[in-house]
Amino acid sequence: EPEVTQTPSHQVTQMGQEVILRCVPISNHLYFYWYRQILGQKVEFLVSFYNNEISEKSEIFDDQFSVERPDGSNFTLKIRSTKLEDSAMYFCASSLHTGGLETQYFGPGTRLLVL
Amino acid sequence: AQSVTQPDIHITVSEGASLELRCNYSYGATPYLFWYVQSPGQGLQLLLKYFSGDTLVQGIKGFEAEFKRSQSSFNLRKPSVHWSDAAEYFCAVVSGAGGGNKLTFGTGTQLKVEL
Repeated sequence: EPEVTQTPSHQVTQMGQEVILRCVPISNHLYFYWYRQILGQKVEFLVSFYNNEISEKSEIFDDQFSVERPDGSNFTLKIRSTKLEDSAMYFCASSLHTGGLETQYFGPGTRLLVL
Repeated sequence: AQSVTQPDIHITVSEGASLELRCNYSYGATPYLFWYVQSPGQGLQLLLKYFSGDTLVQGIKGFEAEFKRSQSSFNLRKPSVHWSDAAEYFCAVVSGAGGGNKLTFGTGTQLKVEL
């Protein structure tokens, strides 16, 4: 069964450093998402992406964050200058279509620790 | 704004016992509702989803959920729990604003199964 993959599984970085989290969505999917889960808190929506454009973003997704689909298979989340509070599990998801009942398929996540 | 409440942070059941995980939603229109499960080291896996029609929805792994509009609830049930069901369960609602279909999650319920 096709699945969403994410690399790395864990990343440790120093405050102020740039990080790039990588995702390979399911190959024929057209809609891509990033969510994050700070330890002990809810899974929160960050951004959705379609046709090389951001469709929607949350208040969390400020100028320090960016997303890109650099080629036909990868979808990346960049944090330009990490802060301690960016420490979280970051989940990538993809869906074939948009629409309320469309299933989003999630990757296993990247655990980011900012020191 | 839409929101989801999962009142139980932790639940422990014995293997073979029945299970009900509670979820209450707040949403102005008819909601799109989902239950996801997260096993350790895994991504979020969709168990079932609901928008309209029969209020009792069947999902994977023997789970079902019942939509009750009068109670704003979408509780997840399983008649007989298996040890492999131990995981974290998330209820979610979709907002279709901007076509991005962001999922809004509850805080999750951690299920422990006693043998």
